[in-house]
Order: sequence, then structure tokens, then C-alpha cells
Amino acid sequence: KQEVTQIPAALSVPEGENLVLNCSFTDSAIYNLQWFRQDPGKGLTSLLLIQSSQREQTSGRLNASLDKSSGRSTLYIAASQPGDSATYLCARRGGYNKLIFGAGTRLAVHP
Amino acid sequence: DAGVIQSPRHEVTEMGQEVTLRCKPISGHNSLFWYRQTMMRGLELLIYFNNNVPIDDSGMPEDRFSAKMPNASFSTLKIQPSEPRDSAVYFCASRPRQGVSYEQYFGPGTRLTVT
Repeated sequence: KQEVTQIPAALSVPEGENLVLNCSFTDSAIYNLQWFRQDPGKGLTSLLLIQSSQREQTSGRLNASLDKSSGRSTLYIAASQPGDSATYLCARRGGYNKLIFGAGTRLAVHP
Repeated sequence: DAGVIQSPRHEVTEMGQEVTLRCKPISGHNSLFWYRQTMMRGLELLIYFNNNVPIDDSGMPEDRFSAKMPNASFSTLKIQPSEPRDSAVYFCASRPRQGVSYEQYFGPGTRLTVT
């Protein structure tokens, strides 16, 4: 079963904190893993995609890592800002190119 | 680029009515995906097209759901007849040709309410 689990389900932090969002998957035969951001009532915005041959990807204050052996990916957000408040979803690519999503982590960054 | 375009953005209909959702993928992308998002089940893939051909429709919940992609720039998802449990946000996503990128780009979604 290709489950994707995200912990924590919700997170509230003060502005400026560095934080880590976790994503775990049961099948280590992974093609790639993608992190998305979803604002309330909006679509998904792709943040980072890590290929199975890669260990991490960075974009600005975001860094995503992938450890296939342990079935884990983390999204690190440095110096969090109120504008980072959103739901963060990870998705692994399964067969036939389908994305299998986790339930997401709802992040609230308060001033 | 305008990104993935979906219409309508919101749809409210009565049970039993036919509903048609529309999607225009990003120009040059050759893969198109329809997803459904609900509180209970999260995001689920319904159907996936590659070069306008349906490749995997195992996520389509029932025969009431059908999807078409008559050309590279347009796809529809139809529900007939609609039921209250179909209420959800339906997303369309597209992806460039393999070898270019595996990244999927999502549209803004259509929020469907069936009363």
C-alpha cells in the first residue's frame, strides 16, 4: 500500500522560527517526491520536487530532503514569516505517474 | 503563461443534474490529471491522460463519472447524474513531456456543491 503520512497535522509557531515538516511513505521504490503549498480556497502551488536520485533541493528559505532508505522526506522552512501560513502537502509519484498525497500539515505563523 | 485554467470556479447544482467541469492545460504539456479533494479523503487522482489518451482511470469512483480529452488543449470531467456526495473541489493538473520535468502544475480548482 502506497501510503503517505504527514506529521504534524497542524503547527503554530511565532514568526522567525525555523521549522521542519515531516513526510513519510511506505514504499521505498519511489520515483520522486513533490512538496506543495495550498492556501485556503486555492489550488496547489509546487514548491520543490526531489528526484529519487537526489537527496535534497533548495529554493530560497525552503529546503527539502529525501531519504529513500528510511522512507522519509522533510521540508525545512527557515526564518518563518506570517506569509508562510498555509497547508503544506507532500506527494510521492506512484505508478502511471499518479501523485499520492499526504493529508497535509496546516501551518500558522503568527507575528 | 496563464497556467492551468479551470472553469467554472464554483458550481452549485441540484442532485440529479449533469455537471461538466472544464480544464485547459498549460500549452506544450502532454499529460493531464484530474484530482478530487475532500475533507474526508484528501486529494485523490481520478484519471490521467497522456497525449490525449486515458492511461489510468482506476480512480474514477463510478460510471456516473466520465472524462474526455478531445485535443491537447482541452479536457472535461462530467458527472451524470450528480449526487450530494460528489461535493468536493476538483483540480486539474498538467505536466510537461517526460524528460523535461516530472513536476505537475495545478489549476485553481472547481468547487462543486451538489444539494
